[in-house]
Amino acid sequence: QLVESGGGLVQPGGSLRLSCAASGFTFSSSDMNWVRQAPGKGLEWVSYTSSSGNTRYYADSVKGRFTISRDNAKNSLFLQMNSLRAEDTAVYYCARELYDSDAFDIWGQGTMVTVSS
Amino acid sequence: QPVLTQSPSASASLGASVKLTCTLSSGHSSYVIAWHQQQPEKGPRYLMKLNSDGSHSKGDGIPDRFSGSSSGTERYLTISSLQSEDEADYYCQTWGTGIRVFGGGTKLTVL
Repeated sequence: QLVESGGGLVQPGGSLRLSCAASGFTFSSSDMNWVRQAPGKGLEWVSYTSSSGNTRYYADSVKGRFTISRDNAKNSLFLQMNSLRAEDTAVYYCARELYDSDAFDIWGQGTMVTVSS
Repeated sequence: QPVLTQSPSASASLGASVKLTCTLSSGHSSYVIAWHQQQPEKGPRYLMKLNSDGSHSKGDGIPDRFSGSSSGTERYLTISSLQSEDEADYYCQTWGTGIRVFGGGTKLTVL
């Protein structure tokens, strides 16, 4: 199970840190991702981290502004979001990748981020 | 890097079957994809992983009514004996080096 938290209303240019608490599987062995969905739109991949945290990827739309990290001791995934823009407004989901592929097999319920003045 | 294309909408009658299509960009016919379902006001749910040869492995608890198949760059999701709860958005997903990709999604209406 994955449970996201930390969403809310933030002004343009502001920062927010999202968290994702994992349970029921071996988090430290799992590659993880953040995916977002703007209101009325489709799914957009945001960022990836390997199980160790040593490898990280970002979508071009967030590169240089967002940072993905994890704490395997606390079974937690994070997304630090800086320099937020109106177009970052979305529901943010964390998702686990299958052990033998990059398919997302476990999803959280999402946390809403609204960037507005 | 791969690109995934889906028709924006589809419809079928209660109890009937429907086949949704996800098309991989040229040169990516060997790619594996995943299908996800998103019911209204809910988070996505993993349905299956689908290989280029049509073999697939479904997620836990996914009914036998859901199946996958492949042909060239096309990846299909077939839902048989449609039920009202199948009315949802369906997304395909794939991956490349340093990137994860979603199709635009297909909104399925059950008539």
